[in-house]
Amino acid sequence: EVKMVQSGGGLVQPGGSLRLSCAASGFTISSFWVNWVRQTPGKGLVWVSRINNDGSIISYADSVKGRFTISRDNAKNTVYLQMDSLRVEDTAVYYCATILPGTWGQGTLVTVSS
Amino acid sequence: EIVLTQSPGTLSLSPGERATFSCRASQSVNSNFLAWHQQIPGQAPRLLIHGASNRATGIPDRFSGSGSGTDFTLTITRLEPEDFAVYYCQQYGSSPLTFGGGTKVEIK
Repeated sequence: EVKMVQSGGGLVQPGGSLRLSCAASGFTISSFWVNWVRQTPGKGLVWVSRINNDGSIISYADSVKGRFTISRDNAKNTVYLQMDSLRVEDTAVYYCATILPGTWGQGTLVTVSS
Repeated sequence: EIVLTQSPGTLSLSPGERATFSCRASQSVNSNFLAWHQQIPGQAPRLLIHGASNRATGIPDRFSGSGSGTDFTLTITRLEPEDFAVYYCQQYGSSPLTFGGGTKVEIK
């Protein structure tokens, strides 16, 4: 079965840091671009960042540029999202996702609150 | 930034009916890199269509995508009970990637 399993997330104070992980299962993630997408409760999907196969092409939404860092370890079949200088408005469910092979992670809740 | 406008915002239909969703882009989508995702409340989204018209693995053939350039359509030929959900289009041809606001399909 092709899937991506997420870990990390939780409650953090404003200004704090968290790292999300997204581990691929049933396929080799090194062949594919991976995105991070977030969703606040009751709202739509918002793209956050993406990384290409070998990590040489990376892009971010303006809202997270300079604070979030996407990376990948193909040997571990895993992609990461390091989130620093977190703000209350970063509170959301975060998903990793690929267009190919067409997989979404299960989502992980990040809550930024004092 | 490419803005995606989905219409209608809500569709009220009965099981067995045909559903048609529109996604209009503010500028041409590179290489027709347009995807459709389905999200059932409380669940993660699921990819239905990529490249405007290619069904993802395991997606039933009642789902089809069409269109090019700035105008795209998702069609469900006969609604099944499990199809009542929110549908999002997404362009992934240029950064920043963007999503439409979604179309909710509710039971009439």
